[in-house]
Amino acid sequence: RKEVEQDPGPFNVPEGATVAFNCTYSNSASQSFFWYRQDCRKEPKLLMSVYSSGNEDGRFTAQLNRASQYISLLIRDSKLSDSATYLCVVANDYKLSFGAGTTVTVRA
Amino acid sequence: SAVISQKPSRDICQRGTSLTIQCQVDSQVTMMFWYRQQPGQSLTLIATANQGSEATYESGFVIDKFPISRPNLTFSTLTVSNMSPEDSSIYLCSVRLLDRGSTDTQYFGPGTRLTVL
Repeated sequence: RKEVEQDPGPFNVPEGATVAFNCTYSNSASQSFFWYRQDCRKEPKLLMSVYSSGNEDGRFTAQLNRASQYISLLIRDSKLSDSATYLCVVANDYKLSFGAGTTVTVRA
Repeated sequence: SAVISQKPSRDICQRGTSLTIQCQVDSQVTMMFWYRQQPGQSLTLIATANQGSEATYESGFVIDKFPISRPNLTFSTLTVSNMSPEDSSIYLCSVRLLDRGSTDTQYFGPGTRLTVL
């Protein structure tokens, strides 16, 4: 079983729509959780950390469910610029485990 | 934040040859990491490179195939040795920094896109 599993998508949504997707992780001892964004042919960049209480950053909301070992990301009022691959990342000490990514395409 | 540069940005190499990828960071960092991202797949950690000690390799990666140097706190190299087409991938250098607010953040270089013929 992969350490981090994500629905690869793609999620094709119109501008202004809300899109949400999850990832699951296998290591219950994982300590930190993140969402990274990766644009085509670019390096991953940190979108946001995910905290146990859930957190928001503008139009982005992240949730963590430790009991069920899943993390979610919700994007409200989607923009064309949100089109990217979103990587779920789970950390155990200094080691990061990456999901394969969920591709989101926002269309005009 | 950290600014990370990698050289070369891309290369096309012949089977059996070796390529050394350089990674330069604009600040001193204790831990540097080398990842590989094969087409359509997630990032896989190759090794962790600490200054002053030997690199620590992950399962499936060995020093003879991927020798790493870490001569100082701002620089590292990864060599892909005796290349085969299966080594075609993007190789990414990464560092971990404590940002303002004491948040541990991992930053990535732009990657080196390697194609082995």
